Amino acid sequence: ELKVEQNPLFLSMQEGKNYTIYCNYSTTSDRLYWYRQDPGKSLESLFVLLSNGAVKQEGRLMASLDTKARLSTLHITAAVHDLSATYFCAVVRNFGNEKLTFGTGTRLTIIP
Amino acid sequence: NAGVTQTPKFQVLKTGQSMTLQCAQDMNHNSMYWYRQDPGMGLRLIYYSASEGTTDKGEVPNGYNVSRLNKREFSLRLESAAPSQTSVYFCASSEAWDRVNEQFFGPGTRLTVL
Repeated sequence: ELKVEQNPLFLSMQEGKNYTIYCNYSTTSDRLYWYRQDPGKSLESLFVLLSNGAVKQEGRLMASLDTKARLSTLHITAAVHDLSATYFCAVVRNFGNEKLTFGTGTRLTIIP
Repeated sequence: NAGVTQTPKFQVLKTGQSMTLQCAQDMNHNSMYWYRQDPGMGLRLIYYSASEGTTDKGEVPNGYNVSRLNKREFSLRLESAAPSQTSVYFCASSEAWDRVNEQFFGPGTRLTVL
């Protein structure tokens, strides 16, 4: 059974600081996704990571994937209030089996 | 381009009542999915449809049925609602033949079962 764990579950940080969210998964995986969810809203896709060593960046967010360690990170640089949201990672077991298994999410609060 | 739409947005049911949640997508995607999200948890897959005419169980299918009406529409039915089915339900769609296969989510239906 594929399990996906995120940590921390809650993160409160000051504007301007850097931090990293971690996503570990239990079995080999073909693909990893990062999503953002604002309170009461739907999920917005941030990144799709397809291979070992993949790195994607968008603004102050950067995601990376280490398939050997079964670990993905979402790094936040110089946080701003607009980044306050819940961030989920989700993993697909293999191509052709498109069931997504989600982590429990990291609720990020950026304090001015 | 509306993307993925869901109706209704909110619903309150009494235990034992039935209802159908509707989902439609206009992106010509082959695959569609139903998830539920409970407080403090990630999304869990209820059912999915890899293509028109096919459906398969996900992680938490008990108490639900689905119908893939056509390529655009995928409905989720609760035959006899229970308080444990109080949740937010999200529909999603994707192009499964695309290597990236990014799933696009609808706005959600907030369901309360009393």
